[in-house]
Parts: sequence; structure tokens; C-alpha cells
Amino acid sequence: NAGVMQNPRHLVRRRGQEARLRCSPMKGHSHVYWYRQLPEEGLKFMVYLQKENIIDESGMPKERFSAEFPKEGPSILRIQQVVRGDSAAYFCASSPGTGSYVGTGELFFGEGSRLTVL
Amino acid sequence: GIQVEQSPPDLILQEGANSTLRCNFSDSVNNLQWFHQNPWGQLINLFYIPSGTKQNGRLSATTVATERYSLLYISSSQTTDSGVYFCAVGAQGGSEKLVFGKGTKLTVNP
Repeated sequence: NAGVMQNPRHLVRRRGQEARLRCSPMKGHSHVYWYRQLPEEGLKFMVYLQKENIIDESGMPKERFSAEFPKEGPSILRIQQVVRGDSAAYFCASSPGTGSYVGTGELFFGEGSRLTVL
Repeated sequence: GIQVEQSPPDLILQEGANSTLRCNFSDSVNNLQWFHQNPWGQLINLFYIPSGTKQNGRLSATTVATERYSLLYISSSQTTDSGVYFCAVGAQGGSEKLVFGKGTKLTVNP
């Protein structure tokens, strides 16, 4: 698990500001997933990306949220104009890929980024 | 989409006791993982077990894919086992995302 690096670990924003969360997958992994965990709840899928491609964004809110996984650098989850309801832990996971759209295998999670909106 | 149900939702044990956690899922899966979320919020991989049986120390897991359930066994529980145990599945034929159950909150008292 320590191989998936997320930062910042804690982020405080005021309503209306932007939040950017970064995720570097484990070495050799090309699939990245973002999940959100509200207090006292389970993890909810948000988006699944491969390099330069969004594969499944069925869990992403339609407005204010976006994600990318560029050819170089970490994956970014961006939340614009944050509201108090965005306060949550955001987890990133990665898995090995074969270079195709059919990924297989185990997901490994980072330690999460905890967003607090004042 | 696929549904994942975990039971029991809460479990309180005395140190040294054994327990079984259950995960039922509504459709065929190509991925099933058990996680432990410790009191600090970290998600620890326990098992990747879409089918069969695995053991790791005091923990073991069995998935019967044809009957759509998985079991996590904890033997000789310790206070450090406290936390929330999540089952997560990947639907066969779906995208590679995992769908999580709501978890079983385990408290082990000394």
C-alpha cells in the first residue's frame, strides 16, 4: 500500500476555493482509480483512468469535479468551488495494466487525502 | 450495478475470540478483495481472492464464486484487529472498478 503516494494528506479549503489532490501510482501500474469516503460511510467509486484516458467516470459528480492522468506526472483530482459537502477522505488506488482497456488484478490504495471545507 | 452486502455491520469481541465476516454479492465477479481500515483511516490489503481459499497468519478467506459469497475468518483476535473490514468486488464484464460493501466494524476489547 505504501507504494501509492497521495498528497496532500490533509487539505483545508474555504467554500468557493479549489482543491487539487495528487496521486502517484505504484511503480509499473498504469491504472488509477479515485474513491471518496464520507464520514462513517464506505468507499464510493468516482473515476477510473489510464494514461491520458478516462475509462469510467460514472461516479463523478457532473459539475465541479474533474480528473486527469497525464502522460507524465501524477493523476490529479480537481474540485472547483468547494462546498462543505465535499469534505471527505479521497482515496487513490492503482493496479497493474496490460496496456489494453482490460485491466486485471489487485488494487492497492494510498493513505488518502482528507479534505476539510470550512 | 452489482450489489455488495456485508454482515454483521458491527461486531464486538473479547481478545482471543474467533470471528467470521460475510460478504454477499449479487452478480458474477472477476475480482474480490478484503481490506482492513484501521483507526487511522489507512486501507490495508488483506486478500485478493476472486475464488478459492487463502490464509495469512491468523486471517483466512474463502470465496465461493458460484454461490456469490466470501468469508473472512479472524482467529485469536487482538486489539490491533479493531477497525472496519471492507469487502470489494469487481463485476465480471464491467469496468475495472471495485464496488465496496458498507463494511463490518470490529471492536476487540482487551
